[in-house]
Amino acid sequence: AQTVTQSQPEMSVQEAETVTLSCTYDTSESDYYLFWYKQPPSRQMILVIRQEAYKQQNATENRFSVNFQKAAKSFSLKISDSQLGDAAMYFCAYSGGSNYKLTFGKGTLLTVNP
Amino acid sequence: DTGVSQDPRHKITKRGQNVTFRCDPISEHNRLYWYRQTLGQGPEFLTYFQNEAQLEKSRLLSDRFSAERPKGSFSTLEIQRTEQGDSAMYLCASSVSPEKLFFGSGTQLSVL
Repeated sequence: AQTVTQSQPEMSVQEAETVTLSCTYDTSESDYYLFWYKQPPSRQMILVIRQEAYKQQNATENRFSVNFQKAAKSFSLKISDSQLGDAAMYFCAYSGGSNYKLTFGKGTLLTVNP
Repeated sequence: DTGVSQDPRHKITKRGQNVTFRCDPISEHNRLYWYRQTLGQGPEFLTYFQNEAQLEKSRLLSDRFSAERPKGSFSTLEIQRTEQGDSAMYLCASSVSPEKLFFGSGTQLSVL
């Protein structure tokens, strides 16, 4: 079974600074997707960024980028120029197999200090 | 907005009562998922439909839980004889491809 591990229950960052959230996963599949979701207090799950495992290039979405290390099964999220609105729970998630279901980590609560 | 819609947003019930939640996916999305999220945890997979067929159920889905998706459109999740441990956020998501699941806002269930 696939597992996703987020080892940082909480992180904090100063506004305008950079923060990196860690994620590791375990799978025996060769083709899969990895995601970072943001969940603010409203609890709406918002997709931040995704990475296809077959792509070697790390995904980037504006201030958000990932460091995907396939051999190490590591998938970290870097948030640059942190903003107050980035404060939320961040979940790393894995999707593989024919049913596309997501397996989530336990999340990292990010606080942004003004 | 034609996103995933869930109803109700909040449900308070007494232990032992039955509850039913509804999810309306994005039209033309053939895949529909139910997840459960307890406070401080990530969402956990409950069940998955492709069109009207329920293709996978988690071991988390006890006998008291049943889900349907008639005609491959909206879906319902029913919990019979609710228990306090059923208190959670129930999330619905839909997709047509593995690149992106679209989530609804969830139904928050509180069992007293």
